[in-house]
Amino acid sequence: AQSVTQLDSQVPVFEEAPVELRCNYSSSVSVYLFWYVQYPNQGLQLLLKYLSGSTLVKGINGFEAEFNKSQTSFHLRKPSVHISDTAEYFCAVIQAQGKAAGNKLTFGGGTRVLVKP
Amino acid sequence: EAGVAQSPRYKIIEKRQSVAFWCNPISGHATLYWYQQILGQGPKLLIQFQNNGVVDDSQLPKDRFSAERLKGVDSTLKIQPAKLEDSAVYLCASSLDDLEGDEQYFGPGTRLTVT
Repeated sequence: AQSVTQLDSQVPVFEEAPVELRCNYSSSVSVYLFWYVQYPNQGLQLLLKYLSGSTLVKGINGFEAEFNKSQTSFHLRKPSVHISDTAEYFCAVIQAQGKAAGNKLTFGGGTRVLVKP
Repeated sequence: EAGVAQSPRYKIIEKRQSVAFWCNPISGHATLYWYQQILGQGPKLLIQFQNNGVVDDSQLPKDRFSAERLKGVDSTLKIQPAKLEDSAVYLCASSLDDLEGDEQYFGPGTRLTVT
């Protein structure tokens, strides 16, 4: 079975400063990787995903993430945050088992980002 | 394009009562998911439908939870009887198909409080 660990439960950061959210996973097979954002009282919105190809993935709102297979990591970064980036961020994986019936997301525990003025 | 719709948005019930949640996925999406998100945790998949058939319900507590998607569109999730530990946000999501990597679109969720 796969698992996802988000190493920081909360990350305070000042406006216009960079931020990095750490995500590590474990799986016996290849995985697809995702980052979702959840604003207060809303559902989850996909920021970016890695399925194959370039290990540096660019997403919406200026976010990017890098897949590191040897370190089983998929850290999320943004070079300059805004107040509006205050939200909870979830890393998630799907096991790439090569069958059509699947697409089951396993989520990490989330990282709450608080952007301070 | 309309997103995933859920109702109600909030529900408060007493333990041992029953409750039902409704989800309308994005039009044309064959796959529908119900997740449970307990406060401070990531969402956990309860059940996945492909059209009106169940693909995965391995984490659904079947002694008290049930779900259906009779016509392959709308879905309802029911809890009977509710326990205190069922307090959570119940998220519905849909995807075009169930191929690995298909983007899942989430609804706003139903926040359930069991007292």
